[in-house]
Amino acid sequence: KNQVEQSPQSLIILEGKNCTLQCNYTVSPFSNLRWYKQDTGRGPVSLTIMTFSENTKSNGRYTATLDADTKQSSLHITASQLSDSASYICVVSANFGNEKLTFGTGTRLTIIP
Amino acid sequence: DTGVSQDPRHKITKRGQNVTFRCDPISEHNRLYWYRQTLGQGPEFLTYFQNEAQLEKSRLLSDRFSAERPKGSFSTLEIQRTEQGDSAMYLCASSLGGADNEQFFGPGTRLTVL
Repeated sequence: KNQVEQSPQSLIILEGKNCTLQCNYTVSPFSNLRWYKQDTGRGPVSLTIMTFSENTKSNGRYTATLDADTKQSSLHITASQLSDSASYICVVSANFGNEKLTFGTGTRLTIIP
Repeated sequence: DTGVSQDPRHKITKRGQNVTFRCDPISEHNRLYWYRQTLGQGPEFLTYFQNEAQLEKSRLLSDRFSAERPKGSFSTLEIQRTEQGDSAMYLCASSLGGADNEQFFGPGTRLTVL
């Protein structure tokens, strides 16, 4: 069964600090992995997308890594801001033609001043 | 704003009533997806359209649920005889398809069944 697991479930850090969120997946055949940011009560917004051959991808203060051999990904946030408070969802796409996505349950990040 | 809109944003209904949600995708996107998200969980796939054709439906989509995309543009999701367990956020996403098939999500419709 295709699964995406994320850790930690929730995280609280001080404004200005860095943090790293983890994602492990068992989706096969792998097509790509995405990280989404979801503010409370809103739809997810894409941060990064990586294919099998990509090891790292940055989007401003967000840097995602992918190890396709161990089926692990991480999202590193540097110099956190209050607006980073949100859920971060790891999403893996299986290459079945319909590009159906398997979502993780997310990491709830809270930035405190 | 991703360019995908959903209406209404919030819906409160009594158990047993029917509800209908609308999704307007990004205009040139030929793929449209419906997801359901409950509190503290990631979105779960319900169904998807390629143009006007409904190509896949999840087992989560019971016979009380029906989705349409009559002209390959906007889509509607109807829930008949709502149950309290239907309370969730219903998300719509659209994409162009292709190699990375990035899906752009709407803001969602929050359904509360009393």
